[in-house]
Amino acid sequence: GENVEQHPSTLSVQEGDSAVIKCTYSDSASNYFPWYKQELGKRPQLIIDIRSNVGEKKDQRIAVTLNKTAKHFSLHITETQPEDSAVYFCAASKGGTYKYIFGTGTRLKVLA
Amino acid sequence: DGGITQSPKYLFRKEGQNVTLSCEQNLNHDAMYWYRQDPGQGLRLIYYSQIVNDFQKGDIAEGYSVSREKKESFPLTVTSAQKNPTAFYLCASSVNRGSETQYFGPGTRLLVL
Repeated sequence: GENVEQHPSTLSVQEGDSAVIKCTYSDSASNYFPWYKQELGKRPQLIIDIRSNVGEKKDQRIAVTLNKTAKHFSLHITETQPEDSAVYFCAASKGGTYKYIFGTGTRLKVLA
Repeated sequence: DGGITQSPKYLFRKEGQNVTLSCEQNLNHDAMYWYRQDPGQGLRLIYYSQIVNDFQKGDIAEGYSVSREKKESFPLTVTSAQKNPTAFYLCASSVNRGSETQYFGPGTRLLVL
């Protein structure tokens, strides 16, 4: 069935370093890839998304890259700050459906 | 996502009891969703609704029921048939179907007494 694999499950970086989280999807028809940040006990919040017609998108310190051939996409956070500490989820969906397939999450810890 | 509200924030269920979680949105979104999140886990889809008076089972619908009588509201009932209901329940909505951003409510934490 459809699935999204997300790695790593936990990631610790020093403040100011970069963090990279990778997701691989199985359904080649997927065309929309959002990333969510979830702080403890809070709702997931969209931080960036990308559609299959572009290869990269950037918003300040956050960027997402998409490789359709390899069916993987990655979240890049530069100049990490303690407030970036949270769980990050990737997801994939395709047109005509309502379903997101979520990754299992990455717990990012930014060490001061 | 500020336009999606869930209540209550915490809910306690006794053995054999049905409980209903509320989800309301004022974003004029057509589609609404219910997810279950277990500690340290990802999000699993319970039910979703594309339009009023229509809803579809997700991946883990057993032991749950929903209704969509109004565009703004999508309540979830956790029935006594759900033997392990302790989890964080998240409601979401999106403009319309397919490949559109889902916005989440603040969640309801359900605990079993």
